[in-house]
Amino acid sequence: GEEVAQTPKHLVRGEGQKAKLYCAPIKGHSYVFWYQQVLKNEFKFLISFQNENVFDETGMPKERFSAKCLPNSPCSLEIQATKLEDSAVYFCASSHAAGLFDEQFFGPGTRLTVL
Amino acid sequence: GEDVEQSLFLSVREGDSSVINCTYTDSSSTYLYWYKQEPGAGLQLLTYIFSNMDMKQDQRLTVLLNKKDKHLSLRIADTQTGDSAIYFCAEANFGNEKLTFGTGTRLTIIP
Repeated sequence: GEEVAQTPKHLVRGEGQKAKLYCAPIKGHSYVFWYQQVLKNEFKFLISFQNENVFDETGMPKERFSAKCLPNSPCSLEIQATKLEDSAVYFCASSHAAGLFDEQFFGPGTRLTVL
Repeated sequence: GEDVEQSLFLSVREGDSSVINCTYTDSSSTYLYWYKQEPGAGLQLLTYIFSNMDMKQDQRLTVLLNKKDKHLSLRIADTQTGDSAIYFCAEANFGNEKLTFGTGTRLTIIP
Protein backbone atom coordinates (compact mmCIF):
# COMPACT_ATOMS: atom_id res chain seq x y z
CA GLY A 1 0.00 0.00 0.00
CA GLU A 2 0.91 3.67 -0.06
CA GLU A 3 0.91 4.08 3.70
CA VAL A 4 2.44 2.19 6.58
CA ALA A 5 -0.36 0.25 8.24
CA GLN A 6 -0.27 -0.74 11.89
CA THR A 7 -2.70 -2.97 13.75
CA PRO A 8 -4.29 -2.93 16.16
CA LYS A 9 -4.77 0.76 16.86
CA HIS A 10 -5.20 0.11 20.59
CA LEU A 11 -4.20 -2.91 22.65
CA VAL A 12 -4.91 -3.46 26.33
CA ARG A 13 -3.16 -6.22 28.23
CA GLY A 14 -2.98 -7.30 31.84
CA GLU A 15 0.47 -7.38 33.34
CA GLY A 16 2.13 -10.66 32.40
CA GLN A 17 0.12 -11.19 29.23
CA LYS A 18 1.57 -11.32 25.75
CA ALA A 19 1.18 -8.47 23.27
CA LYS A 20 1.68 -8.70 19.53
CA LEU A 21 1.73 -5.72 17.21
CA TYR A 22 1.74 -5.73 13.43
CA CYS A 23 3.14 -3.47 10.74
CA ALA A 24 2.70 -3.57 6.98
CA PRO A 25 5.35 -1.39 5.32
CA ILE A 26 4.77 0.58 2.17
CA LYS A 27 4.96 -1.70 -0.86
CA GLY A 28 8.45 -1.70 -2.30
CA HIS A 29 10.12 -0.52 0.91
CA SER A 30 12.91 -2.80 2.06
CA TYR A 31 13.53 -1.37 5.52
CA VAL A 32 11.31 -1.44 8.56
CA PHE A 33 11.99 0.38 11.83
CA TRP A 34 10.24 0.03 15.19
CA TYR A 35 10.17 2.90 17.71
CA GLN A 36 8.63 3.15 21.16
CA GLN A 37 7.12 6.44 22.32
CA VAL A 38 6.55 6.57 26.05
CA LEU A 39 4.28 8.99 27.91
CA LYS A 40 6.77 11.84 28.01
CA ASN A 41 6.93 11.81 24.21
CA GLU A 42 10.39 10.30 24.10
CA PHE A 43 11.01 8.17 21.06
CA LYS A 44 13.25 5.19 21.50
CA PHE A 45 14.56 3.15 18.59
CA LEU A 46 14.00 -0.56 19.07
CA ILE A 47 14.97 -2.52 15.97
CA SER A 48 15.22 -2.31 12.19
CA PHE A 49 14.98 -4.87 9.41
CA GLN A 50 16.27 -5.10 5.89
CA ASN A 51 13.65 -7.31 4.30
CA GLU A 52 13.45 -10.30 6.65
CA ASN A 53 16.91 -9.78 8.15
CA VAL A 54 17.63 -7.88 11.35
CA PHE A 55 19.56 -4.73 10.39
CA ASP A 56 20.07 -3.08 13.77
CA GLU A 57 18.75 -4.42 17.07
CA THR A 58 20.73 -2.24 19.45
CA GLY A 59 17.58 -0.75 20.97
CA MET A 60 15.74 -3.96 21.69
CA PRO A 61 15.39 -4.95 25.34
CA LYS A 62 17.27 -8.17 25.87
CA GLU A 63 14.35 -9.94 27.45
CA ARG A 64 10.67 -10.27 26.54
CA PHE A 65 10.84 -8.34 23.24
CA SER A 66 11.15 -10.01 19.86
CA ALA A 67 10.39 -8.98 16.30
CA LYS A 68 10.12 -10.57 12.89
CA CYS A 69 9.64 -9.59 9.28
CA LEU A 70 8.78 -12.65 7.24
CA PRO A 71 8.21 -12.72 3.47
CA ASN A 72 4.63 -12.02 2.40
CA SER A 73 3.53 -11.28 5.96
CA PRO A 74 3.23 -8.12 8.07
CA CYS A 75 6.17 -7.47 10.36
CA SER A 76 5.48 -8.12 14.01
CA LEU A 77 6.72 -6.94 17.39
CA GLU A 78 5.93 -9.25 20.27
CA ILE A 79 6.25 -8.59 23.98
CA GLN A 80 6.12 -11.63 26.25
CA ALA A 81 4.94 -11.11 29.81
CA THR A 82 4.17 -7.41 29.50
CA LYS A 83 5.05 -5.02 32.30
CA LEU A 84 3.47 -1.71 33.26
CA GLU A 85 6.45 0.19 31.83
CA ASP A 86 5.78 -1.32 28.39
CA SER A 87 2.76 0.99 28.11
CA ALA A 88 3.58 3.23 25.16
CA VAL A 89 2.74 3.96 21.57
CA TYR A 90 4.72 1.73 19.23
CA PHE A 91 5.47 3.22 15.83
CA CYS A 92 6.60 1.39 12.76
CA ALA A 93 8.32 3.18 9.89
CA SER A 94 9.46 1.99 6.50
CA SER A 95 11.88 3.32 3.96
CA HIS A 96 13.02 2.42 0.50
CA ALA A 97 16.60 2.06 1.71
CA ALA A 98 18.47 2.73 4.95
CA GLY A 99 20.48 5.72 3.82
CA LEU A 100 20.17 9.10 5.42
CA PHE A 101 18.59 10.40 2.20
CA ASP A 102 15.77 7.91 2.49
CA GLU A 103 12.80 9.24 4.36
CA GLN A 104 11.29 6.99 6.96
CA PHE A 105 7.51 7.00 6.60
CA PHE A 106 5.74 6.43 9.88
CA GLY A 107 2.57 4.52 10.57
CA PRO A 108 -0.16 5.81 12.91
CA GLY A 109 1.11 3.74 15.82
CA THR A 110 -0.33 1.11 18.17
CA ARG A 111 -1.15 2.30 21.68
CA LEU A 112 -0.36 -0.46 24.17
CA THR A 113 -1.79 -0.10 27.65
CA VAL A 114 -0.66 -2.56 30.27
CA LEU A 115 -2.88 -2.68 33.35
CA GLY B 1 25.72 8.16 23.51
CA GLU B 2 23.70 10.64 21.53
CA ASP B 3 21.55 13.15 23.38
CA VAL B 4 19.07 15.54 21.79
CA GLU B 5 17.34 18.22 23.87
CA GLN B 6 14.41 20.52 23.23
CA SER B 7 12.28 22.82 25.34
CA LEU B 8 8.95 21.17 26.07
CA PHE B 9 6.46 23.96 25.33
CA LEU B 10 6.09 27.00 23.08
CA SER B 11 3.08 29.30 22.73
CA VAL B 12 2.83 31.70 19.81
CA ARG B 13 0.16 34.09 18.57
CA GLU B 14 -1.43 33.28 15.24
CA GLY B 15 0.41 35.10 12.48
CA ASP B 16 3.66 35.44 14.44
CA SER B 17 6.80 33.40 13.79
CA SER B 18 7.56 30.32 15.87
CA VAL B 19 11.12 29.34 16.65
CA ILE B 20 11.71 25.86 18.02
CA ASN B 21 15.19 25.08 19.30
CA CYS B 22 17.16 21.87 19.61
CA THR B 23 20.61 21.00 20.88
CA TYR B 24 22.47 17.77 20.27
CA THR B 25 25.67 16.26 21.56
CA ASP B 26 26.83 13.90 18.81
CA SER B 27 29.41 15.79 16.76
CA SER B 28 29.29 13.09 14.08
CA SER B 29 25.63 13.81 13.35
CA THR B 30 25.36 13.96 9.60
CA TYR B 31 21.70 14.67 9.04
CA LEU B 32 19.36 16.59 11.28
CA TYR B 33 15.62 16.36 10.84
CA TRP B 34 12.45 18.08 11.95
CA TYR B 35 9.31 15.98 12.35
CA LYS B 36 5.77 17.05 13.18
CA GLN B 37 3.37 14.92 15.21
CA GLU B 38 -0.29 15.88 15.31
CA PRO B 39 -2.54 14.45 18.04
CA GLY B 40 -3.09 10.72 17.67
CA ALA B 41 -0.96 10.54 14.54
CA GLY B 42 2.46 9.32 13.52
CA LEU B 43 5.39 11.46 12.55
CA GLN B 44 5.53 13.58 9.43
CA LEU B 45 8.92 14.61 8.10
CA LEU B 46 8.95 18.38 7.61
CA THR B 47 12.49 19.03 6.52
CA TYR B 48 16.08 17.98 7.04
CA ILE B 49 19.50 19.56 6.81
CA PHE B 50 22.88 18.09 6.06
CA SER B 51 25.58 18.94 8.57
CA ASN B 52 27.69 20.89 6.10
CA MET B 53 24.86 23.39 5.58
CA ASP B 54 23.99 26.22 7.90
CA MET B 55 20.57 27.15 6.55
CA LYS B 56 17.76 25.63 4.57
CA GLN B 57 14.50 27.31 3.60
CA ASP B 58 11.35 25.58 2.41
CA GLN B 59 8.28 27.82 2.04
CA ARG B 60 7.32 28.90 5.59
CA LEU B 61 10.02 26.78 7.20
CA THR B 62 13.59 27.90 7.84
CA VAL B 63 16.15 25.60 9.44
CA LEU B 64 19.29 27.09 10.96
CA LEU B 65 22.23 24.95 12.02
CA ASN B 66 25.10 26.11 14.20
CA LYS B 67 27.42 23.15 14.04
CA LYS B 68 29.98 24.70 16.40
CA ASP B 69 27.38 25.05 19.15
CA LYS B 70 25.47 21.91 18.06
CA HIS B 71 22.30 23.99 17.89
CA LEU B 72 19.46 23.52 15.44
CA SER B 73 16.36 25.66 15.08
CA LEU B 74 13.14 25.54 13.10
CA ARG B 75 11.40 28.79 12.29
CA ILE B 76 7.80 28.70 11.11
CA ALA B 77 6.73 31.96 9.54
CA ASP B 78 3.13 33.22 9.81
CA THR B 79 2.14 30.49 12.26
CA GLN B 80 -1.36 29.11 11.70
CA THR B 81 -3.69 27.06 13.90
CA GLY B 82 -2.89 24.02 11.77
CA ASP B 83 0.70 24.25 12.96
CA SER B 84 -0.36 23.17 16.45
CA ALA B 85 1.50 19.93 17.06
CA ILE B 86 4.55 18.45 18.75
CA TYR B 87 7.75 19.08 16.85
CA PHE B 88 10.67 16.69 17.16
CA CYS B 89 14.21 17.20 16.05
CA ALA B 90 16.18 14.07 15.28
CA GLU B 91 19.68 13.21 14.22
CA ALA B 92 21.36 10.34 12.42
CA ASN B 93 24.79 9.65 11.01
CA PHE B 94 26.41 7.37 8.48
CA GLY B 95 26.67 3.84 9.76
CA ASN B 96 23.96 4.52 12.33
CA GLU B 97 20.88 5.34 10.32
CA LYS B 98 18.42 4.92 13.16
CA LEU B 99 16.93 8.20 14.27
CA THR B 100 17.67 9.64 17.70
CA PHE B 101 14.86 11.98 18.66
CA GLY B 102 14.66 14.97 20.93
CA THR B 103 12.06 15.24 23.65
CA GLY B 104 9.62 17.15 21.45
CA THR B 105 8.28 20.71 21.72
CA ARG B 106 4.54 21.18 21.97
CA LEU B 107 3.58 24.25 19.92
CA THR B 108 0.34 25.95 20.94
CA ILE B 109 -1.17 28.68 18.81
CA ILE B 110 -2.94 31.53 20.61
CA PRO B 111 -5.79 33.02 18.54
